[in-house]
Amino acid sequence: GEDVEQSLFLSVREGDSSVINCTYTDSSSTYLYWYKQEPGAGLQLLTYIFSNMDMKQDQRLTVLLNKKDKHLSLRIADTQTGDSAIYFCADSSASKIIFGSGTRLSIRP
Amino acid sequence: NAGVTQTPKFQVLKTGQSMTLQCAQDMNHNSMYWYRQDPGMGLRLIYYSASEGTTDKGEVPNGYNVSRLNKREFSLRLESAAPSQTSVYFCASSEGDTTTGELFFGEGSRLTVL
Repeated sequence: GEDVEQSLFLSVREGDSSVINCTYTDSSSTYLYWYKQEPGAGLQLLTYIFSNMDMKQDQRLTVLLNKKDKHLSLRIADTQTGDSAIYFCADSSASKIIFGSGTRLSIRP
Repeated sequence: NAGVTQTPKFQVLKTGQSMTLQCAQDMNHNSMYWYRQDPGMGLRLIYYSASEGTTDKGEVPNGYNVSRLNKREFSLRLESAAPSQTSVYFCASSEGDTTTGELFFGEGSRLTVL
């Protein structure tokens, strides 16, 4: 079946860029999403990219999609302490959405 | 604007007990979902309701039942709780189906089954 894979942890220094990677298996994806989960809260949509796009930029966030390799990445520029959270990659197609296991981003001073 | 509200936030059960998790949304969304979140496993869909009066199984429906009481409310019932159902449960809603729309999540309900 379809699968979405992410690494579990990432640690970066405050002010550096964070890059969170994701791979997916479904070749019929329509949208790919990045959700953010802060401690004790539910997930919130951070950004998304349509499957026919290669890149999307939104302020400090850059999403890159390599459809050939089925690889999605989220780059956060100038990472701040408020960016500490779990980031979930999600892939949607055929009326369902599959979430990755989440990447916990921690920020070092 | 409350969004998606889940109750209770925390619950401890003994094996074999039953309970119902309640969820309500005030965004007039058609679709509602129940997910469970386990460490290292991401979110897995338990049941969903594409519209009022319909419910469908997700990836992990065994041991659960749901009711779409009306457009606003979607409840999840555990008839005979088992330790394997210890998890954090999230209710979510969306205007349409998940292929094109944003999911809005509640804050979660942490359930422990002893």
